[in-house]
Amino acid sequence: AAGVIQSPRHLIKEKRETATLKCYPIPRHDTVYWYQQGPGQDPQFLISFYEKMQSDKGSIPDRFSAQQFSDYHSELNMSSLELGDSALYFCASSPAGLAGTDTQYFGPGTRLTVL
Amino acid sequence: KNQVEQSPQSLIILEGKNCTLQCNYTVSPFSNLRWYKQDTGRGPVSLTIMTFSENTKSNGRYTATLDADTKQSSLHITASQLSDSASYICVVPTYKYIFGTGTRLKVLA
Repeated sequence: AAGVIQSPRHLIKEKRETATLKCYPIPRHDTVYWYQQGPGQDPQFLISFYEKMQSDKGSIPDRFSAQQFSDYHSELNMSSLELGDSALYFCASSPAGLAGTDTQYFGPGTRLTVL
Repeated sequence: KNQVEQSPQSLIILEGKNCTLQCNYTVSPFSNLRWYKQDTGRGPVSLTIMTFSENTKSNGRYTATLDADTKQSSLHITASQLSDSASYICVVPTYKYIFGTGTRLKVLA
C-alpha cells in the first residue's frame, strides 16, 4: 500500500540558509500535518492543511511557512535556519480532516541538520 | 489541561519476555486512544486504536487495554522480539493529536 512520501530524507544546511521539505500524502488523503521532533522528544505539531487550506496552527515559528498544493502535496519552507531547527520533521496524512477521529499516517521523516 | 503521560520512560527487557507499558491521560472530550510504534529515525506507525467502548484489543503480540473511567491504557507486548526495540507513543486526539511522552523499549538478545 502507498505510504506518505517525504523528501529529502536527509538535509544539511548552514545557519541562516533556507530549506524546503516536501510531503506527498497517501492517495485520496486530503489532510496533511507537519510535526517537528527533537532528539528524545515527542513530535510537536507545527501546522496542518485540509483541502489546500490551513486548518490548524501549532508551534510553528514565523520563519517557517507551509502550503498545500492542488495535488495535495505540501511543502514546509524554513528560512533563516537556526541551530535549534535541527530535528526530524514528519509529515502525516489522513483522509478527511478530522484530527480527532482519523488515523494519521506518518511519513518516514526528513532529518534536518543545521550547522 | 490536556495531557498524556506514559510510564516507564524507558525499559530494557530480554528477548522472549513480556512487558507492559502504561498511559494515563487527562484529555477531554475523549473519543479514542491510539498506540504508535516509532523506530529510531522513522515515522510513527499505528499499532491500535481504542474507542470509548472498547476494553481490550489485540494486534498480534500487542494487546492494548483501556479503562475510560480511570483514564488509563496499557500496551502489553508478549514474547518480545529484538524488532520490538522502539519508542511506543500513546496518542489521545482531541481536535489535534495529543502525544504522550513515549516509552523507549530496548529488547536484548
